[in-house]
Amino acid sequence: QSALTQPPSASGSPGQSVTISCSGTSSDVGYYNYVSWYQQHPGKAPKLMIYEVNERPSGVPDRFSGSKSGNTASLTVSGLQAEDEADYYCSSYAGNKVVFGGGTKLTVL
Amino acid sequence: EVQLVQSGAEVKKPGESLKISCRGSGYSFTNYWIAWVRQMPGKGLEWMGVIDPGDSDVRYSPSFQGQVTISADKSISTAYLQWNSLKASDTAMYYCARHEKIAAGGTPWGQGTLVTVSS
Repeated sequence: QSALTQPPSASGSPGQSVTISCSGTSSDVGYYNYVSWYQQHPGKAPKLMIYEVNERPSGVPDRFSGSKSGNTASLTVSGLQAEDEADYYCSSYAGNKVVFGGGTKLTVL
Repeated sequence: EVQLVQSGAEVKKPGESLKISCRGSGYSFTNYWIAWVRQMPGKGLEWMGVIDPGDSDVRYSPSFQGQVTISADKSISTAYLQWNSLKASDTAMYYCARHEKIAAGGTPWGQGTLVTVSS
C-alpha cells in the first residue's frame, strides 16, 4: 500500500482538462511544500513534471500545473494531447524520506 | 548535458550479491543528492533512499533499511546500490535520480537497471 493515495485511472478527450489527485497526511503533503509529479511512459524512466507543488522544470509545457489544498495535492493537465497518455506519480517529502503515490494511468480517449 | 547512466541488466540467483551503479556527468556530482527508486514489474515507484556523494551521508526508507546499501565514489562520479543476499522479490527495475536536495523533485533520472533474481 502506497503512502500517498491516487486514483488508479483518469481519462479525457483531446483538448479537455483532467485533474489527478494525491491524498496524503499532515506529516507529508499537508506539512511540506515539496510535492512533485512525475510522468512515465511505458518502458521509459520517469520524468519530473512539477516540483515544489506548482513549479515547472524548464521544458515542461505550461499545460501542466500543480496545486495543493490541505493534505491533498493535484495535477491538472489542460488541453490534453495524445502524448500525455502515461502513468503519473505524485511524491512528497516526509521528513528525511520521500513517499510516492500508487500512480494514475491517464488515458486520452 | 546532465546525464545519469546506469549499469546494465543483471540476472542473478537467490543468495547472490550484486552492486549496480549510476554515473553522473555534465554537472558537479558532489553538489546533488542521488536517490534510488524501485519499480517492481507492473507496479508503482518506491523510494529506497538517497546519498549525498559529497560526504556519503545516506538516508534510507524504513522499508529498505538493512536490506540494501547505498554508497558513492565521488572520485568517479558514481553512486551504487548493493545487495548482500538477493531474493526473488528483489526482481525489479531500479532507477537513480538526481536531487538538488532530498525534498526536491528528482531530475534527470537514469535509464534504469533491470535486476532479475531467479533460480
